[in-house]
Formats: sequence, C-alpha cells, structure tokens
Amino acid sequence: KQEVTQIPAALSVPEGENLVLNCSFTDSAIYNLQWFRQDPGKGLTSLLLIQSSQREQTSGRLNASLDKSSGRSTLYIAASQPGDSATYLCAVRPGSNYQLIWGAGTKLIIKP
Amino acid sequence: DAGVTQSPTHLIKTRGQHVTLRCSPISGHKSVSWYQQVLGQGPQFIFQYYEKEERGRGNFPDRFSARQFPNYSSELNVNALLLGDSALYLCASSQTTGGAEAFFGQGTRLTVV
Repeated sequence: KQEVTQIPAALSVPEGENLVLNCSFTDSAIYNLQWFRQDPGKGLTSLLLIQSSQREQTSGRLNASLDKSSGRSTLYIAASQPGDSATYLCAVRPGSNYQLIWGAGTKLIIKP
Repeated sequence: DAGVTQSPTHLIKTRGQHVTLRCSPISGHKSVSWYQQVLGQGPQFIFQYYEKEERGRGNFPDRFSARQFPNYSSELNVNALLLGDSALYLCASSQTTGGAEAFFGQGTRLTVV
C-alpha cells in the first residue's frame, strides 16, 4: 500500500532564505508526482508535475526533483517571500490505479 | 478559460440531511475526481469519473455517491449526513485518466451541525 509522508509538518524561515521541502513515498511504482500549494481554507493550486521518467521540473523560483529508487521528492524554493507562506502538499499517482495519494503537507511560514 | 468551478462554496447542514455538491471541470477535460479533506490532513480520494463512467472509488460508505453528466460536470451526493462528514470537498479535473495533471477547484466547505 502506497504511503506518502511529508516532514517537517511545519517550517518557519526568514524571508530571503532558500529552503527544501521533503516528500517520501513507500512504493517506487508511480506514474507521476505532483506538488500543490494550499492557502488557508482554499483549494489546491498545482505547482509542478514530475512524470516517473523525469528527474526534475522547474517553474520560476520552484524546483522539484524526483528519485524513484529512494522514494523521495524535494521541492526547492529559492529566495523565499512572505507570499510563499502556505501549506505545500505532495501527491503521487500510483502505477496501478488512478487516484492521487497524498501527504499531510508542510505548513510553511516565511517571516518578513 | 475558466478553471474548475465548484458550488456552493460553503454550506451548513443538519445531521441526517442530504447534500449535493457540484463541479464543472475545465473545458475539454473529461475526468473528474472527488476528494475529502479534513482539517490538518491531506485529501482522501472518494470517486473518479471518466466519460461518465465510474473509474475508481475510495474507502467511503455507500452514503456517498456521484455521477458525471454528458457535459462532464459532476455531482457528489452524501446522504444521512454525520458530524464527521464536515470537511472541505475538492473536485479535480484532468484531460484523461492515469498520468494526466490534476487541477483543483476552490472546494466546498461543508459543516454538519
């Protein structure tokens, strides 16, 4: 059974720092992995999608990497800003069915 | 183009009542999935529909049901509401099933009192 874990559950850093959010999964047989952002009480905004054949994806100040063999993905945020404060969730789509399986998220606070 | 739209955004229901939540996918997307998110947790998969057929069902009781219409919009129905059904209900839209990127609506916040 696929399980997704995100550590830490919460992170607070000063503005301007580069930071890394972690996502681990137990079964390496995945179609893809997706990172999302969620603002309080709101829906989910897709940030990056990494296909199983890819190693990384970049969008602006965000870079996501995927290491299937070790069951890990990281989301790198460069030059963090207060507007980056949100909960970041990763989700994997297993190779054998269609549902997304989610981590519980990392709540990120960027201090001005 | 409009994104995924869900209605209503908020609603309050009493235990035992029935509720219908609605979702319109992104134009051209044929797959709709429903998720339940309890505060502080990641979303849990409820249903997936593609081309009006159920393609997946999560571990939810039979009180939960859904359908997809010819225009690919979808409804999620919950009968005999319980306090524990209070959650954010999220709808995801994708072009196809499998590896397609999922795009989410803003969610419907359901409170059962």
